[in-house]
Amino acid sequence: QSVLTQPPSVSAAPGQRVTISCSGGRSNIGDNYVSWYQQLPGTAPKLLIYENYRRPSGVSDRFSGSKSGTSATLTVTGLRTGDEALYYCGSWDSRLTSGVFGGGTKVTVL
Amino acid sequence: QVQLQESGPGLMKPSETLSLTCSVSGESLSGDYWSWIRQPAGKGLEWIGRIYGSGSTKYNPSIKSRVTMSVDTSKNQFSLRLTSVTAADTAVYYCAKDSGSYVNWYFDEWGRGTLVTVSS
Repeated sequence: QSVLTQPPSVSAAPGQRVTISCSGGRSNIGDNYVSWYQQLPGTAPKLLIYENYRRPSGVSDRFSGSKSGTSATLTVTGLRTGDEALYYCGSWDSRLTSGVFGGGTKVTVL
Repeated sequence: QVQLQESGPGLMKPSETLSLTCSVSGESLSGDYWSWIRQPAGKGLEWIGRIYGSGSTKYNPSIKSRVTMSVDTSKNQFSLRLTSVTAADTAVYYCAKDSGSYVNWYFDEWGRGTLVTVSS
């Protein structure tokens, strides 16, 4: 069982918006920044968001992140078939003294 | 653009020691942090630990007793050693460039991963 909790799956039609939640606690999301990763089938994860909302160079602005208290959210707008992937959140846990990830959320484009 | 490439044995037997190497190109690993992360088939990501270019390390407490990481700056490589492997260690192992921060922890470059299977 993952320290950070994500819904197993979300889905929406092309062009629509999906939001993926990542719930944690004070020792991880509450006290530290959140990052988000996209893992396309058969590939390595790719950094989408760091420092809660910042996007690395080259990442589409259709991806956005936010954080409130002990939860974080990844939002994907203008959904495309190419966005079908697994999405993971991550954060440092100060109590465990370890990095932790969510269990992953599968995004399906209907 | 930094590139990372994992290499390792592929297939192992229980109780053996796993040794993986990550070759880094496009950047010297001396001044940065580097991590190992694994992913069992159909499951999520697990952080194993990180190493700084100087050789200082931080391991995931859940696996710390079996893990050793090292760095070879002359070859621009860093390595993972995992002792007493079992079937539960079967996973794709990734090396990644680590942000180096605990408060702002993330990985901005990843290798393609290498599958390690532990089976008798």
